[in-house]
Amino acid sequence: GAGVSQSPSNKVTEKGKDVELRCDPISGHTALYWYRQSLGQGLEFLIYFQGNSAPDKSGLPSDRFSAERTGGSVSTLTIQRTQQEDSAVYLCASSLAAVVETQYFGPGTRLLVL
Amino acid sequence: GQQVMQIPQYQHVQEGEDFTTYCNSSTTLSNIQWYKQRPGGHPVFLIQLVKSGEVKKQKRLTFQFGEAKKNSSLHITATQTTDVGTYFCAGPRGGSNYKLTFGKGTLLTVNP
Repeated sequence: GAGVSQSPSNKVTEKGKDVELRCDPISGHTALYWYRQSLGQGLEFLIYFQGNSAPDKSGLPSDRFSAERTGGSVSTLTIQRTQQEDSAVYLCASSLAAVVETQYFGPGTRLLVL
Repeated sequence: GQQVMQIPQYQHVQEGEDFTTYCNSSTTLSNIQWYKQRPGGHPVFLIQLVKSGEVKKQKRLTFQFGEAKKNSSLHITATQTTDVGTYFCAGPRGGSNYKLTFGKGTLLTVNP
């Protein structure tokens, strides 16, 4: 694909429901990141995947958040029992290598928890 | 923990005026990256600086990395309405070679 894609682009859910957000990284990119961006704020690191290595989950804000990456490609971020403070834009990014370098961001999923 | 601070938080200019945003890290950085996010869009990579004192230019944009590798700046000469957006700096986080710490960004608005 031409770039990182994410779905859905927008998600409105009720407090307490579970949501799944999907990310398709650029083909061949081994590194995948999830970030959260609250209104008018910077990017908050959530989780990092690199190849088949164990993910770095150090940025996940609570145990309600989890993520998987299947086959080293597509990733799913799951938020269980959503809370209003989970409302934000969830951005996925991928990069070619394991070390810090250019990250290519997807368009994001705007999550609104009512 | 490591912090990356950006100032100003907001900047409004008249078209044609210059603009500068500053980025300061609490720790020495191995490199620094700059991203631009248009309103409603997603961050797009602009540049990476690696060397102490490095200066790079992209048309009207000039990026600098401080001698101590703890600060950086982005200067735009003669702003245009297409420059509108939030400019973020980011540096490797806590010695990690893959995690970035982003500043909160500087929102630039340009009055035509």
